[in-house]
Amino acid sequence: AQTVTQSQPEMSVQEAETVTLSCTYDTSESDYYLFWYKQPPSRQMILVIRQEAYKQQNATENRFSVNFQKAAKSFSLKISDSQLGDAAMYFCAIRESGAGSYQLTFGKGTKLSVIP
Amino acid sequence: DSGVTQTPKHLITATGQRVTLRCSPRSGDLSVYWYQQSLDQGLQFLIQYYNGEERAKGNILERFSAQQFPDLHSELNLSSLELGDSALYFCASSVGSSTDEQYFGPGTRLTVT
Repeated sequence: AQTVTQSQPEMSVQEAETVTLSCTYDTSESDYYLFWYKQPPSRQMILVIRQEAYKQQNATENRFSVNFQKAAKSFSLKISDSQLGDAAMYFCAIRESGAGSYQLTFGKGTKLSVIP
Repeated sequence: DSGVTQTPKHLITATGQRVTLRCSPRSGDLSVYWYQQSLDQGLQFLIQYYNGEERAKGNILERFSAQQFPDLHSELNLSSLELGDSALYFCASSVGSSTDEQYFGPGTRLTVT
């Protein structure tokens, strides 16, 4: 069974600074996808970034980038130039690519506060 | 707006009752997933349907059931409700392949009193 661990229940960052959220995972599959989702106070789940396990290059989406260390099963999210709108819960998730279901397994989340 | 709709937004009901949550996937998506988000269990996968057929089951209680209709909308039925069933229930949809994204609806907030 796949598992996801987020060891930082809460973090804070000054506006315009950089913050890194940690995530480790475990899976027996060789083919899988990793995701970071953002959940603002509205509760909507918003996909921030995704990483295919077979790709060595780290994914980047504007101010958001990941550090994917496959051997260490680590998948951290870096937010650069933090903005007030980045304040939210952030969930790390994994999805295996085996035949059949593609359900997401989530970590417990990290609550990010942005200090003006 | 993800294109996934869920109704109702909020639901308040008493213990022992039965409720139905509804989800309409994005146009063209064949797969529907149901997730439960609660304070103690976090976000967990309940069940998946693909083109009308059950594809996978997660941590779904026997009191819960779901189905996907020919028009691809899905319903999650929760019966004999307990206080611990209070949670945010998300529906997500995808095309159904291994590479595509899941798009989440806004969720239904269920409160059992």
